[in-house]
Amino acid sequence: DGGITQSPKYLFRKEGQNVTLSCEQNLNHDAMYWYRQDPGQGLRLIYYSQIVNDFQKGDIAEGYSVSREKKESFPLTVTSAQKNPTAFYLCASRYWMNTEAFFGQGTRLTVV
Amino acid sequence: DQQVKQNSPSLSVQEGRISILNCDYTNSMFDYFLWYKKYPAEGPTFLISISSIKDKNEDGRFTVFLNKSAKHLSLHIVPSQPGDSAVYFCAASELGNQGGKLIFGQGTELSVKP
Repeated sequence: DGGITQSPKYLFRKEGQNVTLSCEQNLNHDAMYWYRQDPGQGLRLIYYSQIVNDFQKGDIAEGYSVSREKKESFPLTVTSAQKNPTAFYLCASRYWMNTEAFFGQGTRLTVV
Repeated sequence: DQQVKQNSPSLSVQEGRISILNCDYTNSMFDYFLWYKKYPAEGPTFLISISSIKDKNEDGRFTVFLNKSAKHLSLHIVPSQPGDSAVYFCAASELGNQGGKLIFGQGTELSVKP
């Protein structure tokens, strides 16, 4: 079954700790994305990657870091520098430009 | 700077009638547009897309219209069904050195009443 998997579904962390969200896809897609959704808000782009070992900042990259060492994987680290990390995080992938993106089921991160 | 805007946070429609969701964009380099449907605490699911070389694309009950001169697109759902109730997002991407970037609007919550 091809798809995009985010784990875990729920994540709790203490303030000041770094946390890494997992995103894996077996769709052979080139591009991968991380978005953040806050209550009543749209999807805001954090980082995206078009090929392995390359990634670009989105509109709200501060306090986040990513890596793209494998085509299938695009983990997102929420660092202690991110002032408001509590949010719903969504990962997506697509084959290339001008195709639809497929989304994972999301990770709800709560920082206490 | 919000490059993709959905100015209506919510829309309520009677079952069987037409739902029209609107989206405006500011970047004239956008050349591919998509609509997604989303339920709470889930990932969005793709509905329909349109390339900038077209002005209309239809798939069953869903039709997307693109007006490039006005930098405006709309999603028509006919007839609307209660199962269509969800948040709808429009998204846009462009060719060129920003080609992989995919930008979403704020979403419009559609409620279809029986």
